[in-house]
Amino acid sequence: DAGVTQSPTHLIKTRGQQVTLRCSPKSGHDTVSWYQQALGQGPQFIFQYYEEEERQRGNFPDRFSGHQFPNYSSELNVNALLLGDSALYLCASSLQRRERGTQYFGPGTRLLVL
Amino acid sequence: DQQVKQNSPSLSVQEGRISILNCDYTNSMFDYFLWYKKYPAEGPTFLISISSIKDKNEDGRFTVFLNKSAKHLSLHIVPSQPGDSAVYFCAARDLTSGTYKYIFGTGTRLKVLA
Repeated sequence: DAGVTQSPTHLIKTRGQQVTLRCSPKSGHDTVSWYQQALGQGPQFIFQYYEEEERQRGNFPDRFSGHQFPNYSSELNVNALLLGDSALYLCASSLQRRERGTQYFGPGTRLLVL
Repeated sequence: DQQVKQNSPSLSVQEGRISILNCDYTNSMFDYFLWYKKYPAEGPTFLISISSIKDKNEDGRFTVFLNKSAKHLSLHIVPSQPGDSAVYFCAARDLTSGTYKYIFGTGTRLKVLA
């Protein structure tokens, strides 16, 4: 049973550039959530996708956008990168209608903005 | 405003002894709580969870206690092993917007000394 996968594992960009991160959820899961984890902090919720729609959004600017595909995989796009966007980006998948809805995380994509 | 707080950034425990990690929350609408363990360069791994209608859940060496009146939960690891050394995050599920999202604490770094 494949777990949550993310690509790429590492990425280096310069200020002002745009980046796309990808996530494949755990088999059977239909909901994908994205988190940003800065150094020394806990994961901060960016947004959640279910049925190809953004269902919830955290306190992140519109530069952060996403997409969910019919196969439940998801992309996170960040435009006009800032130095402060350097972080570990985590994808988590879950089942929306499952009572417990436990989220399972991928290994993350480490983004460095220079 | 930090809705989920882990006030101890680090904890050191001797191998074989009990590790107790604490977490406080402010939102009484949270209905489900989870603990994750995170090793460097990996995504968080789900450890154990508890519903807000329970006060204890046990899984092997791991037990989570929930005190709703105090808005406090704790994770007990008995006996602690060197492999338990990691950063532990508590998370709370927020259902107030219809779909759920998880809010994480800032983590506690546990070091189990051999």
